[in-house]
Amino acid sequence: GAVVSQHPSWVICKSGTSVKIECRSLDFQATTMFWYRQFPKQSLMLMATSNEGSKATYEQGVEKDKFLINHASLTLSTLTVTSAHPEDSSFYICSAINSGGALETQYFGPGTRLLVL
Amino acid sequence: AQKITQTQPGMFVQEKEAVTLDCTYDTSDPSYGLFWYKQPSSGEMIFLIYQGSYDQQNATEGRYSLNFQKARKSANLVISASQLGDSAMYFCAMREGLYSSASKIIFGSGTRLSIRP
Repeated sequence: GAVVSQHPSWVICKSGTSVKIECRSLDFQATTMFWYRQFPKQSLMLMATSNEGSKATYEQGVEKDKFLINHASLTLSTLTVTSAHPEDSSFYICSAINSGGALETQYFGPGTRLLVL
Repeated sequence: AQKITQTQPGMFVQEKEAVTLDCTYDTSDPSYGLFWYKQPSSGEMIFLIYQGSYDQQNATEGRYSLNFQKARKSANLVISASQLGDSAMYFCAMREGLYSSASKIIFGSGTRLSIRP
């Protein structure tokens, strides 16, 4: 089946630094990717929708200047957490729609655990 | 308002028994899709089953079946003959506007299923 990868899988950083997370669709093209955040024992909350070649659409309450999203190609979207703080520590999961697949086909990456000290 | 509601935060079931995980949803869009995902402790999101709003029959995938009651707006997941490996978080999710480029998946709060040996 289609595969979505994320890198890194784990990241620990100091408060105030920026962290970049990559999401790649390995064997299909994805015009649309999604970024979710999941706090411990909670559900996945959609942060933003990333469209190739255009600006991301952010969900209400998500700071676009804090969470920079770039979808520069049909197989890569990046999420940069700028000036990270301990409250940004979370599990970040990306998801991609297979542009050439069935409408219901949305694949999830394995997630990235971010710990800000 | 909650669009996806899972009223069971946790459930304990004896191995080999069948289990039903509840999910109700709210949408005015006639075109939508309903999903169930399993999330083990590793964090990966495992797709289990999908039901489209126009599908006439309930979806089935191996031991998983979706009890789709459109008028009641419910989409319960039924796992037959539960196994120890079924212990995980289970999320119900919905995607509205299936034919829209802005279509996105939103998740319920989840149910933690624990299988007793």
